[in-house]
Amino acid sequence: DIQLTQSPPFLSASVGDRVTITCRASRGISSYLAWYQQKPGKAPKLLIYAASTLHSGVPSRFSGSGSGTEFTLTISSLQPEDFATYYCQQHASVPLTFGGGTKVEIK
Amino acid sequence: EVQLVQSGAEVKKPGESLTISCKGSGYSFTNSWIGWVRQMPGKGLEWMGIIYPGDSDTRYSPSFQGQVTISADKSISTAYLQWSSLRASDTAMYFCARRGATMEFFDYWGQGTLVTVSS
Repeated sequence: DIQLTQSPPFLSASVGDRVTITCRASRGISSYLAWYQQKPGKAPKLLIYAASTLHSGVPSRFSGSGSGTEFTLTISSLQPEDFATYYCQQHASVPLTFGGGTKVEIK
Repeated sequence: EVQLVQSGAEVKKPGESLTISCKGSGYSFTNSWIGWVRQMPGKGLEWMGIIYPGDSDTRYSPSFQGQVTISADKSISTAYLQWSSLRASDTAMYFCARRGATMEFFDYWGQGTLVTVSS
C-alpha cells in the first residue's frame, strides 16, 4: 500500500495568511493526488485532483502542486470559511489511501 | 445537481447485522463507480471499497475484505454497505462517494451515516 504522510498535522494561522500543507507519498504516484476539505460533522469536499486541477466551484485561492512523491496544497489568503481539516488522497493505485490530515485552526 | 443521500443513523448491538444505503441522483448512477469511506471517531479517512453499479464489479480494500459487503441496485440508483455481524470497533461515520469519471478520486459525497455499536 502507498502511505501518505501529511505535515504539519496542526497549523494555526490568521485570516489573510498564506498557508501551505505538504503530503509525501511512500513511493512515486506521478500526479495522482487529490486534496479534500472537511469541516466538523460534514462530509469531505473535493478541492483538487491530479495534483493541480481545481474541482468545479472551488475558489482560486486554493492551488496544488507537485509530482512523484512530494505535493503541496496552498491557500493563498486564508478566509474564515477555510478553517477545517485537509486530507490528501492518492489515486494512483488500489487500495486508495489518505493522509492523516492537517487541521487548520484560527490563531 | 449530483446528490448522494445516505440512510439515517443506526444504533446496534454487537453481533447484529446492518445494511446502510446511498441513493444517487442527478447523474448516470449505472455508469459511475461508488465508493465507501470509513471515519472512526476523531480519526482520518479510510477507503473501504468501490462498486460499479452497471455490472456490480466490486473492489475491496484488503483491510475490509471479508468484513463488509458492498452491493448496488441500479434499478433504484442505490448502493449498499452491509455487515453480517457488527463489532464495537465498527462504530464510525460511513460516507459514500462518487468516483471521478476518469480517475480514482471522489468528486461528490453523501452526508454520512453514523453507525454506533454498543451493548
